[in-house]
Amino acid sequence: GQQLNQSPQSMFIQEGEDVSMNCTSSSIFNTWLWYKQDPGEGPVLLIALYKAGELTSNGRLTAQFGITRKDSFLNISASIPSDVGIYFCAGRLSSGTYKYIFGTGTRLKVLA
Amino acid sequence: GAVVSQHPSWVICKSGTSVKIECRSLDFQATTMFWYRQFPKQSLMLMATSNEGSKATYEQGVEKDKFLINHASLTLSTLTVTSAHPEDSSFYICSARAGPNTEAFFGQGTRLTVV
Repeated sequence: GQQLNQSPQSMFIQEGEDVSMNCTSSSIFNTWLWYKQDPGEGPVLLIALYKAGELTSNGRLTAQFGITRKDSFLNISASIPSDVGIYFCAGRLSSGTYKYIFGTGTRLKVLA
Repeated sequence: GAVVSQHPSWVICKSGTSVKIECRSLDFQATTMFWYRQFPKQSLMLMATSNEGSKATYEQGVEKDKFLINHASLTLSTLTVTSAHPEDSSFYICSARAGPNTEAFFGQGTRLTVV
C-alpha cells in the first residue's frame, strides 16, 4: 500500500536535546497529522494540521504543514525519557473514504 | 480525546480457527471505523474502511472473505479473521471517527498469535 516517507528512520538523542523529523509525499494532502505509538499500544494523536504553511504547537511539540502540501515536519524540544517511541506522520485524503496514509515511522530513543 | 476500546488486547488461537476482534467507540458515535495491521517494526497498513450499515471497503490485496468486517452499529465494528494461519499473526489496530472531516482515534490494538 501507499506510504509516506519519514526520516530519519531512527535516532538516539540525549535527554534535553531537540529533535526534528520530517515526512514527505509524492501526493498532496490537505490534512497532515502526527501520532506517537508506544510499544504494544495504538497510536495517539499529537498534532493535526489543516492549512499549508500552518505551524502548530502542543507543549514541547511543534509541527508544520509544508507550503507545497507534500511534506510536514515535527520538532520536539528539550526531550525527556518518556518521549521514546515511534512517531508516525499521516496524510488524510480529502475525498472517497477520507482514509489516512501513514508514514514509515521514526523510532526515537532518548538516553538519560 | 475520544475513547476507542479494542477487545481482546491479545489472543492466541490454533491454526484453522476463527478469531473475532471488537472495536468500540465509548463516548461518541463512529460513522467510520478503520482496521489496520502492523507487523513488527513496520508502519500501519490499512486493511479496510467500514461505514455503519454498509459493506466495508477493502484495500487492494486484502481478502474480504478472510477478514470479515461488520459495522452493525455506530459504536461497534468487528473484525473476524477466518481460518487463521500463522502468517496472520500480527498486531491489529482499529480507529474510529465521528465524521469525514474529523480525526480518528485509535484503539489500543490486539496482538493475534496463531499457533
